[in-house]
Amino acid sequence: GQNIDQPTEMTATEGAIVQINCTYQTSGFNGLFWYQQHAGEAPTFLSYNVLDGLEEKGRFSSFLSRSKGYSYLLLKELQMKDSASYLCAVMDSNYQLIWGAGTKLIIKP
Amino acid sequence: DAMVIQNPRYQVTQFGKPVTLSCSQTLNHNVMYWYQQKSSQAPKLLFHYYDKDFNNEADTPDNFQSRRPNTSFCFLDIRSPGLGDTAMYLCATSRTSGGADTQYFGPGTRLTVL
Repeated sequence: GQNIDQPTEMTATEGAIVQINCTYQTSGFNGLFWYQQHAGEAPTFLSYNVLDGLEEKGRFSSFLSRSKGYSYLLLKELQMKDSASYLCAVMDSNYQLIWGAGTKLIIKP
Repeated sequence: DAMVIQNPRYQVTQFGKPVTLSCSQTLNHNVMYWYQQKSSQAPKLLFHYYDKDFNNEADTPDNFQSRRPNTSFCFLDIRSPGLGDTAMYLCATSRTSGGADTQYFGPGTRLTVL
């Protein structure tokens, strides 16, 4: 079966750095997406990785290792507004998105 | 601004009373998706349309149906809502389905079945 694993919840301090991990087992691979979802709102697109390595976009970076079935989202200089759930999703060989359940990130002052 | 719009944002219905949720997009994307998301769970794909070509997920209950009368609009009909259908319903669009295109989401409709 297809499976995406990410931690259920993480806590970090304002101004710090946090890394949210995602491991996956899917039928084929056509890229990995990270979305941010604030409580009661829709997911918003953060990043897309299809090749191995690190993609940096401002305070957010996303890393992919296809051989390990592993990705992480790195958030720097955390702000209170970064409190949200972060969803990892993999596009399989049929171009269907397989979603993780999300990691709820709690930022403390 | 190009966007995905969902109406209503909040809907309360009685057990068994049909309800229709709507989605419109100004992105001119070919593909539209309906997801169901329950609290602290991953979004679950119910249907998607590539243009007017309808694709039903194997485990989507028969109680759920969808219509896409034109490129811009898509509807989700729940014929006889049960208590277990209380969830956020998300509409998303992407340019194509044959490539790894990003899906863009509307704000969602939070449905409560009493």
